[in-house]
Amino acid sequence: AQTVTQSQPEMSVQEAETVTLSCTYDTSENNYYLFWYKQPPSRQMILVIRQEAYKQQNATENRFSVNFQKAAKSFSLKISDSQLGDTAMYFCAFMGPPGFGNEKLTFGTGTRLTIIP
Amino acid sequence: GAGVSQSPRYKVAKRGQDVALRCDPISGHVSLFWYQQALGQGPEFLTYFQNEAQLDKSGLPSDRFFAERPEGSVSTLKIQRTQQEDSAVYLCASSSPTSGGHKDEQYFGPGTRLTVT
Repeated sequence: AQTVTQSQPEMSVQEAETVTLSCTYDTSENNYYLFWYKQPPSRQMILVIRQEAYKQQNATENRFSVNFQKAAKSFSLKISDSQLGDTAMYFCAFMGPPGFGNEKLTFGTGTRLTIIP
Repeated sequence: GAGVSQSPRYKVAKRGQDVALRCDPISGHVSLFWYQQALGQGPEFLTYFQNEAQLDKSGLPSDRFFAERPEGSVSTLKIQRTQQEDSAVYLCASSSPTSGGHKDEQYFGPGTRLTVT
């Protein structure tokens, strides 16, 4: 079974600074997907960024980028120029290779990020 | 179009009561997932549908939990004889649009917060 570990329960950073959230995972699969989801206090989970394991290039979405280290099974999220609206819980999630039974997400325990004005 | 909707948003049940939680996925989404999120934790997978077929129910914690999606659209998660440990937020997600988008990307509803007293 896959596991996802987020070792930072809480983080805080000043507005406009850069912050990196850590995530490690364990799997025996070679092809899989990794995601970062954001859950603001209103509770609707929103996809921030996705990475396909077979792609070596790190995914980027505007101010959000990842550092995907496949050999180390590490998948960190970098938020640049942080904004007050980035305050939320952030979950790292794993999905197995396409196919029967692998469509579910396995989540980490989350990192509560607070952006300080 | 509209996102995933869930109802009710909040439900208080006395221990031993039965509850039914509803999920309306995004129109055209083939896959539907239920997750349980305990306070301060990441979501945990409960069950998965592809159209009306329940392909994976490995995450259902006991036989008191039952889910259905009879017409391949709306889904209902039913919990019989609720217990205090059932208190959690129940999240529904849908994915796999028949055209366009990433098949692996799950879109979440706002959740139903169930409190069992």
